[in-house]
Amino acid sequence: DTAVSQTPKYLVTQMGNDKSIKCEQNLGHDTMYWYKQDSKKFLKIMFSYNNKELIINETVPNRFSPKSPDKAHLNLHINSLELGDSAVYFCASSPRASGRSTDTQYFGPGTRLTVL
Amino acid sequence: EDKVVQSPLSLVVHEGDTVTLNCSYEVTNFRSLLWYKQEKKAPTFLFMLTSSGIEKKSGRLSSILDKKELFSILNITATQTGDSAVYLCAVEPNTGNQFYFGTGTSLTVIP
Repeated sequence: DTAVSQTPKYLVTQMGNDKSIKCEQNLGHDTMYWYKQDSKKFLKIMFSYNNKELIINETVPNRFSPKSPDKAHLNLHINSLELGDSAVYFCASSPRASGRSTDTQYFGPGTRLTVL
Repeated sequence: EDKVVQSPLSLVVHEGDTVTLNCSYEVTNFRSLLWYKQEKKAPTFLFMLTSSGIEKKSGRLSSILDKKELFSILNITATQTGDSAVYLCAVEPNTGNQFYFGTGTSLTVIP
């Protein structure tokens, strides 16, 4: 009964490859997010989607593209992977749109991406 | 099953009060416990704890870990309205591949 799930759990790939990370939430939430956790444990927001509309994009390179086939899914596609992309990526969801409330975000377990 | 439980779920205090937030966990092969403060955007990293009994302090915030009893507390003294936020606890196991987040404690500080 995982609320927010991500696949794969870890991903090791070569520089220049294209990869995707999938996220699904079964909470019926309206908004989903992608975060990147750096080596110092800081969480940096990358995207959020509210009812299929992108509402936040924090200066993320355009090699990163979120794709939301439906309200329960927000996938992260990364083109031309670089060494600096190595990090843990977290998906999260919340009941309402970001900026209108401080509802708790429910985090997925993370995907550890290693680019060689 | 690995899990993280935070309590209380929500808390309303007056400015100047001291609060203690709790995070208990069950995880196989513990590596670290992290505290975040979440306001409207991305959670802000507060502390990472790896060793029992060593208090980490930043201004009015402090945190300590008890690896024997499997919990951590986050203390905030002399609370201010700017402390109003959701405080998240996350635990990282030794596998390094997953994090387990609690659902957070929603703190409201009223003037």
